[in-house]
Amino acid sequence: GAGVSQSPSNKVTEKGKDVELRCDPISGHTALYWYRQRLGQGLEFLIYFQGNSAPDKSGLPSDRFSAERTGESVSTLTIQRTQQEDSAVYLCASSRSSGRAYEQYFGPGTRLTVT
Amino acid sequence: SQQGEEDPQALSIQEGENATMNCSYKTSINNLQWYRQNSGRGLVHLILIRSNEREKHSGRLRVTLDTSKKSSSLLITASRAADTASYFCATLTGGTSYGKLTFGQGTILTVHP
Repeated sequence: GAGVSQSPSNKVTEKGKDVELRCDPISGHTALYWYRQRLGQGLEFLIYFQGNSAPDKSGLPSDRFSAERTGESVSTLTIQRTQQEDSAVYLCASSRSSGRAYEQYFGPGTRLTVT
Repeated sequence: SQQGEEDPQALSIQEGENATMNCSYKTSINNLQWYRQNSGRGLVHLILIRSNEREKHSGRLRVTLDTSKKSSSLLITASRAADTASYFCATLTGGTSYGKLTFGQGTILTVHP
């Protein structure tokens, strides 16, 4: 079956512009996560959606970052007034709500470069 | 700051040798997972060990967990060139068995044919 997909795969933007990153989770997965990975680093948690519960936004680094999710499907991560330190790969993951709920399935990521 | 810290940062071995990677963490965990990442993109789940377990096996993978030392190790036996990748440990804290993960910095493994 289809895995997690993300678009665009690469995005180059000028400092100060807004960007939107999209994630399509695996169908039926109720949980969706956004992580950020800077070059040569591990993943940093950003935000987590679980069903109809209020999202866990504890990892968002500033109020320039926001994310939405439509029901249990598509999610968009928006970064306003981008800064050079926002350059990173943004990874989305989804997981089930039962059974092997702990196993997160990752998309290929969006590589964001802010010039 | 990262919950998990891994060592070594990089490991280079010959095909057929065993590779051992270590992970330490700071707070109590629900479970610890290992993921593999190829070419700096999407991660693939390898194995999970729960806080009340000490050792798990899956194929050529062996994971150990020492909660008293807050550390885990991943052993890959009889390594292959295809095992070349970055390996990350990730910890889950809190009362549920799923949720946001805290990742370590990763170990870059290179297996030479």
